[in-house]
Amino acid sequence: DAKTTQPPSMDCAEGRAANLPCNHSTISGNEYVYWYRQIHSQGPQYIIHGLKNNETNEMASLIITEDRKSSTLILPHATLRDTAVYYCIVSLLGGSQGNLIFGKGTKLSVKP
Amino acid sequence: GAVVSQHPSWVICKSGTSVKIECRSLDFQATTMFWYRQFPKQSLMLMATSNEGSKATYEQGVEKDKFLINHASLTLSTLTVTSAHPEDSSFYICSASPFDGNQPQHFGDGTRLSIL
Repeated sequence: DAKTTQPPSMDCAEGRAANLPCNHSTISGNEYVYWYRQIHSQGPQYIIHGLKNNETNEMASLIITEDRKSSTLILPHATLRDTAVYYCIVSLLGGSQGNLIFGKGTKLSVKP
Repeated sequence: GAVVSQHPSWVICKSGTSVKIECRSLDFQATTMFWYRQFPKQSLMLMATSNEGSKATYEQGVEKDKFLINHASLTLSTLTVTSAHPEDSSFYICSASPFDGNQPQHFGDGTRLSIL
């Protein structure tokens, strides 16, 4: 089973910030938090990842709580093309280890 | 950077046919690639880990004789679905990450396989 809990769906108005929460209360000290999204009929797209500190890139910001038991992915100005299923995954190094366990994710619908 | 290409993007074939799917890392080398399967309205499930120059590691419940994996070079892994049947129809997705262990996995665009 996935080690994260996400709301099944969320709506967001176009141009507004989308804040997607994720609970990972059993995360261990050396596990990273990864976010991917999957647009219909495509492969997952990497968004961002972090260990302890908040992270920001050209796509999004990742806010991790101090106890690391939860995090929030922020899309600062959502567009219609951001409509997708967003997956929050905790993993050791997440890349080469292969143990990316996908849960059901959050289906984000961006509306005009 | 870190582009993963998958081919073909979709295939339709008759029951009993074997189908080969290619996964290439275009701008990096990967000793390890991963194969996932996704059924409609479900999430991705890891099928196997493909290791360059050695045998693949399969997840529990995945038949290794049914899903043949070959990782002949640092940029190419292939998945062959042998004697495919309608229940093998699914969305197959590969992923890879560069040598540096701190790099995230990047995914191909998937192959939609339909067995008639």
